[in-house]
Amino acid sequence: EAGVTQFPSHSVIEKGQTVTLRCDPISGHDNLYWYRRVMGKEIKFLLHFVKESKQDESGMPNNRFLAERTGGTYSTLKVQPAELEDSGVYFCASSPGTSGRADTQYFGPGTRLTVL
Amino acid sequence: AQSVTQLDSHVSVSEGTPVLLRCNYSSSYSPSLFWYVQHPNKGLQLLLKYTSAATLVKGINGFEAEFKKSETSFHLTKPSAHMSDAAEYFCVVSPWDTDKLIFGTGTRLQVFP
Repeated sequence: EAGVTQFPSHSVIEKGQTVTLRCDPISGHDNLYWYRRVMGKEIKFLLHFVKESKQDESGMPNNRFLAERTGGTYSTLKVQPAELEDSGVYFCASSPGTSGRADTQYFGPGTRLTVL
Repeated sequence: AQSVTQLDSHVSVSEGTPVLLRCNYSSSYSPSLFWYVQHPNKGLQLLLKYTSAATLVKGINGFEAEFKKSETSFHLTKPSAHMSDAAEYFCVVSPWDTDKLIFGTGTRLQVFP
């Protein structure tokens, strides 16, 4: 069974440009999460989808970030316009949604974003 | 508010010696606790999780952790380190009222031959 995949693995852009990150969860997983690790800091929650609906977006830093999950399958996270402080590693995770809050979240390898 | 504190940012051990990675948590209610590991260029992998069943939790690759409510600790241990254990380890709490995970700052484990 394929795990969570993320694309691209690395992205280097200039301040003010737009970047779109993609996450493909494990097939059949209803829950999809985005997290971010800024250099030197802990991994922080961004948002949570249940199927195509946003369940919790309390961690989204500002309105330059837009997440979508059309059709309840893959998700995209767009940053527009990118700022220097957006640099970091963006992780995606998915879970089946069958065991309640103790569901194991399966993580992808992350996308390393560098904003110059 | 829920939080986790990983007491060591770096731990170095010799191969074959015990590993101890320390974690303290703060939670108003009975939390779920996890340890994840990240090897270079890989995703985060679940080592083990505690969900209010047995307080001693066994995970993969010989790791285990003990939930101690009186000490609010969830330390990760392994009797004998292997070179392949070199990685970054994260202690994680999941609050009772949400699915989101709250991460510690991570502990980087080095294993010397």
